[in-house]
Amino acid sequence: AQKVTQAQTEISVVEKEDVTLDCVYETRDTTYYLFWYKQPPSGELVFLIRRNSFDEQNEISGRYSWNFQKSTSSFNFTITASQVVDSAVYFCALSSAGGYQKVTFGTGTKLQVIP
Amino acid sequence: DTGVSQDPRHKITKRGQNVTFRCDPISEHNRLYWYRQTLGQGPEFLTYFQNEAQLEKSRLLSDRFSAERPKGSFSTLEIQRTEQGDSAMYLCASSLVQVQETQYFGPGTRLLVL
Repeated sequence: AQKVTQAQTEISVVEKEDVTLDCVYETRDTTYYLFWYKQPPSGELVFLIRRNSFDEQNEISGRYSWNFQKSTSSFNFTITASQVVDSAVYFCALSSAGGYQKVTFGTGTKLQVIP
Repeated sequence: DTGVSQDPRHKITKRGQNVTFRCDPISEHNRLYWYRQTLGQGPEFLTYFQNEAQLEKSRLLSDRFSAERPKGSFSTLEIQRTEQGDSAMYLCASSLVQVQETQYFGPGTRLLVL
């Protein structure tokens, strides 16, 4: 069975601070995908990134960066110089690479950026 | 806007009533997924379609739930004899079958059963 753990339920930071959201996963698959989604108060899940299990290169996209470490089964997400618009619930998710994509989500981390 | 759309966005109903939700996927996407999200939790998989075929159903999908995708385009999710425990956000996602598949989500339908 697959499992995603986001131990941080809620985080509050002051605007312009950096913040890291933790994600730890469990899977027996040798090939899998990891995802991060953002859910603002409007409710729609917004896709942020997909990472393949065979690609451990870290990725940076603007103020966002992701650190994938297969050895510790972690896929952490860092927001640099946080902004109020970053306030949302962030979900880490996992799926098998073969067949259809039954995605297993974590319980989410609510990020509040205070002006 | 060519994203996934869902209708209605909000639904309030009384226990025992039937409700139906609609999802319109991104036009070229051949896979469609339904998820349920309760407060403070991540979305949980309910079912998925490839074109018009329903290929997987979660054990969360009781006999009161039925989903269809009659022409391989839009999909409906019906809940019969609603119960208070059905209160949740129902999310639809679509994707294109390819090597690196990504699901794109709609805004969801928030259901409240009184």
